[in-house]
Amino acid sequence: EPEVTQTPSHQVTQMGQEVILRCVPISNHLYFYWYRQILGQKVEFLVSFYNNEISEKSEIFDDQFSVERPDGSNFTLKIRSTKLEDSAMYFCASSEDSEAFFGQGTRLTVV
Amino acid sequence: AQKVTQAQTEISVVEKEDVTLDCVYETRDTTYYLFWYKQPPSGELVFLIRRNSFDEQNEISGRYSWNFQKSTSSFNFTITASQVVDSAVYFCALSEARIKAAGNKLTFGGGTRVLVKP
Repeated sequence: EPEVTQTPSHQVTQMGQEVILRCVPISNHLYFYWYRQILGQKVEFLVSFYNNEISEKSEIFDDQFSVERPDGSNFTLKIRSTKLEDSAMYFCASSEDSEAFFGQGTRLTVV
Repeated sequence: AQKVTQAQTEISVVEKEDVTLDCVYETRDTTYYLFWYKQPPSGELVFLIRRNSFDEQNEISGRYSWNFQKSTSSFNFTITASQVVDSAVYFCALSEARIKAAGNKLTFGGGTRVLVKP
């Protein structure tokens, strides 16, 4: 069964460093998303991506964040100059229609 | 703006008891989708069900059942004869039907932690 895969599963980074979280969406899907879940809290929408551009972003998704689909398969989330409060689980998702399929998440720890 | 409220933050039951998780939503759209996801201790999000706003039939899948009531904007989830493996955080979510280019972002509720004790 096709699935969304995310790498790495866990990343530790120093405050101020840049990180890139990687995702391989399901191949025939058209919509791609990033969500964030701070420990113990709800899952929050960050950004959606369609037709090689951002279609919607939340207030959380400020200039520190960027997304890219560098080739036909990967979808990345870059966080520039990480802060302690960026520590969270980051989920990638993709969809063909209304049903989103989630990856297993990348746990980002900023120290 | 859309909003999802899960008033129960944590429910503790003994194995074999039934447990019902409440979900109340707000949306201005007439066409929307409702979802339930399970997040086990390992952290991934497991899709359980999707319903569209035009289908108010209740659904049963094994020990899981869902009660969608548009009149009260609720989409409740019941686990019958709970098992220890049901211990997880359960999230209700809402997605409004959008124009094609916008995709379908999900708005999640705060989640309900279910603890099933043996």
